Amino acid sequence: RKEVEQDPGPFNVPEGATVAFNCTYSNSASQSFFWYRQDCRKEPKLLMSVYSSGNEDGRFTAQLNRASQYISLLIRDSKLSDSATYLCVVTPTGTASKLTFGTGTRLQVTL
Amino acid sequence: NAGVTQTPKFRVLKTGQSMTLLCAQDMNHEYMYWYRQDPGMGLRLIHYSVGEGTTAKGEVPDGYNVSRLKKQNFLLGLESAAPSQTSVYFCASRDGQGGYFGPGTRLTVT
Repeated sequence: RKEVEQDPGPFNVPEGATVAFNCTYSNSASQSFFWYRQDCRKEPKLLMSVYSSGNEDGRFTAQLNRASQYISLLIRDSKLSDSATYLCVVTPTGTASKLTFGTGTRLQVTL
Repeated sequence: NAGVTQTPKFRVLKTGQSMTLLCAQDMNHEYMYWYRQDPGMGLRLIHYSVGEGTTAKGEVPDGYNVSRLKKQNFLLGLESAAPSQTSVYFCASRDGQGGYFGPGTRLTVT
């Protein structure tokens, strides 16, 4: 089983829609969680950290469910510019310095 | 601040040639990483460093060596390039939070 798993998509949604991605992780003692965004042929960029209490940044909301070992990303009022691949990242316990990436979920927002 | 920079941006090597990729960061981060990204494979960790003078193997270290002689620099070496090492290489650094990536090096081995 992969350490971090994501649905590869693509998710095709119309502009203005709400879309949610989930990511599951296998190490129950994982410590830190992040969402990254990667545009085609570009480097990944940190979108937001994910906390147990949930956190929001504008149209983006991230949640962590430790009991079920998944994190989620909700995008409201999707924009064309949100089209990208969204990467889930986990820092496993015991190797706190490592960042383990999921393979990403591709989002395509259309008119 | 330049953030994380990588040189070169592009390179074509012949099988058996060697090269060094340079990563530099100006954020005083302790942790630095080298990843490779191949279509459909996601980002895979090659080597990483938790501080100056330290290195550790990641998920796919074979065929690569690294050095972290200075805190701000992390070098990735290919001693004898193989076509299987054709990939995009990303360097990243981080503090206690998320990491910041360089723009990548596109390497083709023929």
